[in-house]
Amino acid sequence: QVQLQESGPGLVKPSETLSLTCTVSGGSISSYYWSWIRQPPGKGLEWIGYIYYTGSTNYNPSLKSRVTISVDTSKNQFSLKLSSVTAADTAVYFCARRALGYCSNTNCYSAFDIWGQGTMVTVSS
Amino acid sequence: DIQMTQSPSSLSASVGDRVTITCRASQSISTYLNWYQQIPGKAPKLLIYAASSLQSRVPSRFSGSGSGTDFTLTISSLQREDFATYYCQQSYSTPYTFGQGTKLEIK
Repeated sequence: QVQLQESGPGLVKPSETLSLTCTVSGGSISSYYWSWIRQPPGKGLEWIGYIYYTGSTNYNPSLKSRVTISVDTSKNQFSLKLSSVTAADTAVYFCARRALGYCSNTNCYSAFDIWGQGTMVTVSS
Repeated sequence: DIQMTQSPSSLSASVGDRVTITCRASQSISTYLNWYQQIPGKAPKLLIYAASSLQSRVPSRFSGSGSGTDFTLTISSLQREDFATYYCQQSYSTPYTFGQGTKLEIK
């Protein structure tokens, strides 16, 4: 079965760039959308963005100027870069698969059906 | 952005109780609504997608209903392992947004 695992530094200095990688195992990264979602301590969930295996992306406008999501199909990995971080970016970062269901002419049902365990990233000097 | 509002924010209940959690969208989202369960320290788990479809291997005591702007998640008979935080999420349009969560606690 498909499993996701996040990796990357747990501590990032203010104004620097947060970099995380999600490794997909037990299945191919192809033919799916892959997302990053974060959760500040004690708070709710925030969608950051997603990438299709072809490389097309969709970002949350609230973070768009600072976010880059990329994919490496040869390694079955996708990555997140968040620049100019502040303490407000301290959170658990999850990678997740966005699975598609029925599609009409204008829209597709989707849900985050498989998640990584999450990795805590603290922004502090 | 579409705002998702859950009620209540917290709820105390006993094993065997029937529980209902409500989620309201700030505009109509048809049935583009998912429900997740999150146990502390763990990743969210998909329970219900498209408002009422049960995800594979999720117990049948979980059910979802609604369309437009008003949705409900019902647990027919609470089990001990159901005490967790529940989130709704709209998949109608990006940016995808989640409700603030409903924490279900043991009475």
